[in-house]
Amino acid sequence: GQNIDQPTEMTATEGAIVQINCTYQTSGFNGLFWYQQHAGEAPTFLSYNVLDGLEEKGRFSSFLSRSKGYSYLLLKELQMKDSASYLCAGMDSNYQLIWGAGTKLIIKP
Amino acid sequence: IAGITQAPTSQILAAGRRMTLRCTQDMRHNAMYWYRQDLGLGLRLIHYSNTAGTTGKGEVPDGYSVSRANTDDFPLTLASAVPSQTSVYFCASSDKGGGGYNEQFFGPGTRLTVL
Repeated sequence: GQNIDQPTEMTATEGAIVQINCTYQTSGFNGLFWYQQHAGEAPTFLSYNVLDGLEEKGRFSSFLSRSKGYSYLLLKELQMKDSASYLCAGMDSNYQLIWGAGTKLIIKP
Repeated sequence: IAGITQAPTSQILAAGRRMTLRCTQDMRHNAMYWYRQDLGLGLRLIHYSNTAGTTGKGEVPDGYSVSRANTDDFPLTLASAVPSQTSVYFCASSDKGGGGYNEQFFGPGTRLTVL
């Protein structure tokens, strides 16, 4: 079966660093997406990884290990506006996205 | 318009009624999707369309139907609404042709309550 696992909720402090983990099992694999979703809003694209390694984009980085079926999203210099849910999604052999339930990130001052 | 629009923004519906959720995109994307999002669950695919004139079933298609008469519009119909269809519905689109990369762009969502 296909499955995406990520923690339900995490708490971090403003200015700190947080790592959100995601493990995936998909029928075939064509890449891993991270999306951000603020409460009451639509998901918006953050990153895409298809090769092993770290992709850095400003304060956000995403890592992929295909052999371990594992990814993480790293957020640096946390700001209050980073309080949101972060959705991990694996792309299967049919190029459909399989979504995790999301990790709610709470930022405290 | 720019991007994807959905209508209505929210709706309260009596069980047994028919309802169509509208979705329009102006990005000329070939692929479109309907998801539902429920608390504690990931986005679940209801139906999709890889190109105008074709549709396919997702993970949770029962009780829903779609059509794709043209590139821009992808309406979702609930033939006879039931309370378990209370959810937030997101429409998405992607330019799925190029090498399989499937970044999806989402509409603002429709919050549907079935009583």
